[in-house]
Parts: sequence; structure tokens; C-alpha cells
Amino acid sequence: DAKTTQPNSMESNEEEPVHLPCNHSTISGTDYIHWYRQLPSQGPEYVIHGLTSNVNNRMASLAIAEDRKSSTLILHRATLRDAAVYYCILRGGSNYKLTFGKGTLLTVNP
Amino acid sequence: NAGVMQNPRHLVRRRGQEARLRCSPMKGHSHVYWYRQLPEEGLKFMVYLQKENIIDESGMPKERFSAEFPKEGPSILRIQQVVRGDSAAYFCASSPPPGPNTEAFFGQGTRLTVV
Repeated sequence: DAKTTQPNSMESNEEEPVHLPCNHSTISGTDYIHWYRQLPSQGPEYVIHGLTSNVNNRMASLAIAEDRKSSTLILHRATLRDAAVYYCILRGGSNYKLTFGKGTLLTVNP
Repeated sequence: NAGVMQNPRHLVRRRGQEARLRCSPMKGHSHVYWYRQLPEEGLKFMVYLQKENIIDESGMPKERFSAEFPKEGPSILRIQQVVRGDSAAYFCASSPPPGPNTEAFFGQGTRLTVV
């Protein structure tokens, strides 16, 4: 599986934007970039995914670098409820399983 | 449309007993994955099943663990003769036929405590 690299932790203040980076320099042309998050004591939750173009949904935005070797998950206004571990995962070809790394622990300060 | 349902949410077993964890996928989904999360650790893939078939069990411990997804009813993860090291959160996910452009939906997990 292609590998992703994320910071171990990040901190943000409530109602401020948060940019969560992910490096994936070995990404292949058919790999999609997926983001999931896991709130405390809950199961993982799908956030967003994309291939080449930037993507927006009600939860977040995904900015993908032109060379696709990195991406950034953007939470436009962090809330306390956004405190979670965020996972960046590559999924492509016949890869049917999600391989979770250590993710980024996001702390949101009131 | 109900999400992925796992039960029980919490399960306590004594060493040597059997644990049965159930997972009902989202309506219309015929693909199920099981993951284990040990305390303070990440999520580890265990097994991937379609209805009546185990597709990939590369993450399953060699002994005492088994999984099934029958034609009717929920998927079951079975742990025989549990030991303290089996204490963990077990998560199930379901999806339509998987591909790079599909998302998986996770349940809330079963937290197994072996005493």
C-alpha cells in the first residue's frame, strides 16, 4: 500500500480554520485520497475523498496538490466536536481495504 | 436508512470464554470488514467478507478467531477461549462493492473486556 505521512498532532482554536496536511509522495495515478476521522470512543467516520481536483462537502474541503504528492484537509471553522484523530488514506486499484496509519490528533481549544 | 449496527456495544468475558460480536451492515451492502483497535493503538484490518465468502483474512490471528457473513443475518466475529490480550474495540464496516472511489461506513464498535 502507498504510504502517507501526517503530523502526530495539531492544535486549533474554536471557530478558526484548520489545515491538516498529508504527504503521499509515492501515490500512483489511480489512487484516490480518502480522509476519515475518529472521534473519542466512536467508530471511524468518512470525511471526504478526491482524485485530482479539489473537493468540497458539508464537512470539509480537500485541497490536492497539482503533482498529487500531498493534500490538505481543511475544516473551515473548527468546533469542539471536530476534536478527533484524522486519517489520510490512499485507496486505489484493487485495494479494497482501508489501511489506517497513526493519523493526526486534532485538539480544538475553546 | 440505519447505519452499520454492532452489538453488543460492551462485552465482558472471563478468560477462556467465547465472545461473539455481531455486525449488521447498511441496507444494500454485501461487503463487510472487521478491524481491531487495541488500547492506545491504531486500527488494524482483520478480515474482509462478502456474503457467504471470506475474501481476505490476512489480519486474523491464526488461532481462536473466526468470522462469517451468512446469506441471511449479521456478520459474526467469534473469539474462542478469550485471553486478556483480546481486550480491545472491534469495529465493523460495510460498503457497496469496494473500489477506490467508494466510502466505507463504520459501526460504533464493540468494546470487549476480558477479565
